[in-house]
Amino acid sequence: QVQLVQSGAEVKKPGASVRVSCKASGYTFTGYYVHWVRQAPGQGLQWLGWSNCNTGATNYALKFQDRVTMTSDTSISTAYMELSRLRSDDTAVYYCARVGGGYTYHFDYWGQGTLVTVYS
Amino acid sequence: QSALTQPPSASGFPGQSVTVSCTGTSSDVGGYNSVSWYQQHPGKAPKLMIYEVIKRPSGVPDRFSGSKSGNTASLTVSGLQAEDEADYYCSSYAGRNDWVFGGGTKLIVL
Repeated sequence: QVQLVQSGAEVKKPGASVRVSCKASGYTFTGYYVHWVRQAPGQGLQWLGWSNCNTGATNYALKFQDRVTMTSDTSISTAYMELSRLRSDDTAVYYCARVGGGYTYHFDYWGQGTLVTVYS
Repeated sequence: QSALTQPPSASGFPGQSVTVSCTGTSSDVGGYNSVSWYQQHPGKAPKLMIYEVIKRPSGVPDRFSGSKSGNTASLTVSGLQAEDEADYYCSSYAGRNDWVFGGGTKLIVL
């Protein structure tokens, strides 16, 4: 069965960087995109961007373009999201989610989420 | 891009029907048949309930249905059950390889 398993919770100081991993199993990793979505405490979902797990191409939401990097390692079927220059308002649960190729626009499987806490 | 607009809350009694709206623009909701809906229980990851406006993934009860008119999409839950109480989010492709979510609606089963 399809699974996306994310790395554990992180605590970081302002100005630091964090990298969250998302290990995929149960499907052909290179046939899909991995998107990243975050949810601040008590808030809604916010889309961060995607990476193409086959070509390595990426696209980031305008708000995060200068601070986020999304990559993937096909040898271990794992996607990564790194966010730099962390601020306190980056405290959130970060999710990875799968989207199919072609004209597919929905997130059909999600990781369990990774809590990133930023405080000094 | 701006978030899609959803009502903060909606409610209904068990057995009733409730509809949640999701309003965007011609650049997102109105421009593509890409609206999807997600259910999120507290402390859990979102779960896909509806995709491509009207389609239901395998395993999602047929009590959940979707529709769209112009720039507004809707999720209807018929025959409300206690387990339907959750937060619901809409999402749409917004062009230029971007996606956007709604602000979320808390569905309360009275």
